[in-house]
Amino acid sequence: NAGVTQTPKFRVLKTGQSMTLLCAQDMNHEYMYWYRQDPGMGLRLIHYSVGEGTTAKGEVPDGYNVSRLKKQNFLLGLESAAPSQTSVYFCASSSGKAAGETQYFGPGTRLLVL
Amino acid sequence: AQRVTQPEKLLSVFKGAPVELKCNYSYSGSPELFWYVQYSRQRLQLLLRHISRESIKGFTADLNKGETSFHLKKPFAQEEDSAMYYCALRTTSGSRLTFGEGTQLTVNP
Repeated sequence: NAGVTQTPKFRVLKTGQSMTLLCAQDMNHEYMYWYRQDPGMGLRLIHYSVGEGTTAKGEVPDGYNVSRLKKQNFLLGLESAAPSQTSVYFCASSSGKAAGETQYFGPGTRLLVL
Repeated sequence: AQRVTQPEKLLSVFKGAPVELKCNYSYSGSPELFWYVQYSRQRLQLLLRHISRESIKGFTADLNKGETSFHLKKPFAQEEDSAMYYCALRTTSGSRLTFGEGTQLTVNP
């Protein structure tokens, strides 16, 4: 099993450009998450999904949109990139919210917005 | 709303010395606490969870509800322990994790 994979690994954008980050998991997990990681701020939840066709806002959703058309995929979109969105983006998935349930993370996507 | 605080951004120790990474939380209910580790250029991975009361790679952590803390400890640090460590909290009603700011641990030879 590949676990959680993310595409692309690295991307450079100009301010105002758009792009989509793809997250895929092969563990049949219901829940999927998008985080951004910034120095000194830990990981902050952008959006998440509790099942196919559902999405919800996290802590820092502004400037991002998501879609979960298929259970195994969770897409994160930036419609008009800004320098403040320069970050490392991590996707994660989990099977539920039972006690002790953990999230499994992807390798990350480094995004630089100029 | 819940919050997780890791007061030390950077922590440096020598090989063989004890290490303690601090984690404090605020949450009105009964939380689940986790420690995640991120080695250089790798993805985050679960190190341990309080509910399991386990020791992984020599690390232990005890949930202290009175002090609202979940400090990570290891009696004898190794160079391969150098990494970024994140404390995370999950509420009993949800699946979302709230992360602390992270502590970069460096173990010097």
